[in-house]
Amino acid sequence: EPEVTQTPSHQVTQMGQEVILRCVPISNHLYFYWYRQILGQKVEFLVSFYNNEISEKSEIFDDQFSVERPDGSNFTLKIRSTKLEDSAMYFCASSDATVQDQPQHFGDGTRLSIL
Amino acid sequence: AQSVTQLGSHVSVSEGALVLLRCNYSSSVPPYLFWYVQYPNQGLQLLLKYTSAATLVKGINGFEAEFKKSETSFHLTKPSAHMSDAAEYFCAVSDRGGYNKLIFGAGTRLAVHP
Repeated sequence: EPEVTQTPSHQVTQMGQEVILRCVPISNHLYFYWYRQILGQKVEFLVSFYNNEISEKSEIFDDQFSVERPDGSNFTLKIRSTKLEDSAMYFCASSDATVQDQPQHFGDGTRLSIL
Repeated sequence: AQSVTQLGSHVSVSEGALVLLRCNYSSSVPPYLFWYVQYPNQGLQLLLKYTSAATLVKGINGFEAEFKKSETSFHLTKPSAHMSDAAEYFCAVSDRGGYNKLIFGAGTRLAVHP
């Protein structure tokens, strides 16, 4: 069964550094998402992306965050200047836009640790 | 605005016992509802979904959930727990099926003991 894949599985970065998290969505999916889960808290929506533009973003997704689909397969989340509070598990998800009730499929996540 | 409340952050059952994980939602439009499971060090795996068809939804691994509009609930059940069911379970709501953002509950950690 097709899967959403995320790399790396664990990223350790110094505070203030830029970090890029990578995702390969399921190949025929057209909607892409990023969520995060701070340790011990609920999974929170960050941003959704469709047709090469952001379709919705949360309050968390401020100017330090950006998303990009640089080619036909990858979907990236960039944090420009990381803060301690950015430490979390980041999940990528994708969805088939051709059928409305299709669910979002999640990757295994990237654990981001900011030192 | 939509929201999800999962009653009980931790639930413990004996192997073979009934599993009941509670989820209540709030939505101003007809909701799409989902249950996801997260095993240790893994991502979120879809267990089942409600998308305005049958109110009793069957999912993978013997789980099912019933949508009750009058109670704004979507509780997850399994008749007989197995050790392999130990995981964290998340209820989520969306207002446009797979397109729109998912709003998650806080999760319920299920422990299964012999």
